[in-house]
Amino acid sequence: DTAVSQTPKYLVTQMGNDKSIKCEQNLGHDTMYWYKQDSKKFLKIMFSYNNKELIINETVPNRFSPKSPDKAHLNLHINSLELGDSAVYFCASSAWTSGEQYFGPGTRLTVT
Amino acid sequence: AQSVTQLGSHVSVSEGALVLLRCNYSSSVPPYLFWYVQYPNQGLQLLLKYTTGATLVKGINGFEAEFKKSETSFHLTKPSAHMSDAAEYFCAVSSSNTGNQFYFGTGTSLTVIP
Repeated sequence: DTAVSQTPKYLVTQMGNDKSIKCEQNLGHDTMYWYKQDSKKFLKIMFSYNNKELIINETVPNRFSPKSPDKAHLNLHINSLELGDSAVYFCASSAWTSGEQYFGPGTRLTVT
Repeated sequence: AQSVTQLGSHVSVSEGALVLLRCNYSSSVPPYLFWYVQYPNQGLQLLLKYTTGATLVKGINGFEAEFKKSETSFHLTKPSAHMSDAAEYFCAVSSSNTGNQFYFGTGTSLTVIP
């Protein structure tokens, strides 16, 4: 069983389109995250949800909107995609008090 | 505020040689420290973590790290490199009072030479 899963694994789309990435965890964790990894491998936190409540919202364009329908899911919707949005997006989860985060396999987004 | 500095964006070692990847952190509160490994086209996998207690932490695949508060360091070592260790390695810091927010270093790419 995959602990943290993301769909799709690859996403190729044109500028201006709207797309969503889905994330699910079956670890029973109460906190989930979205990270962006750029071409230089730098990891940047975007959002964090604890028990479906937004707790971290870094400086991210309003075009990015996370949605957490329940504790096991955290989806990322991106409006009006731009070339600079091309990156690998990772979902992660953790228990609020445990420290370590568990990462999904990533979604490679390419905007043309 | 918390931050992590990984010295050396690229490290090359011969197969069988010692692996040493450096990580220094900055934290105004007791830190939680982590090392993750990322193989090509994969997600991040936890290698080991330090929260409290013993300062020498053993992880998976023969890796270990030592928390040195006086040096604000958490260097990752492995006595003998294997070809399968070639990957990107990330150090991260968090603390109990930051909402479990991680601050990652910029990563170190490890190459193992046969």
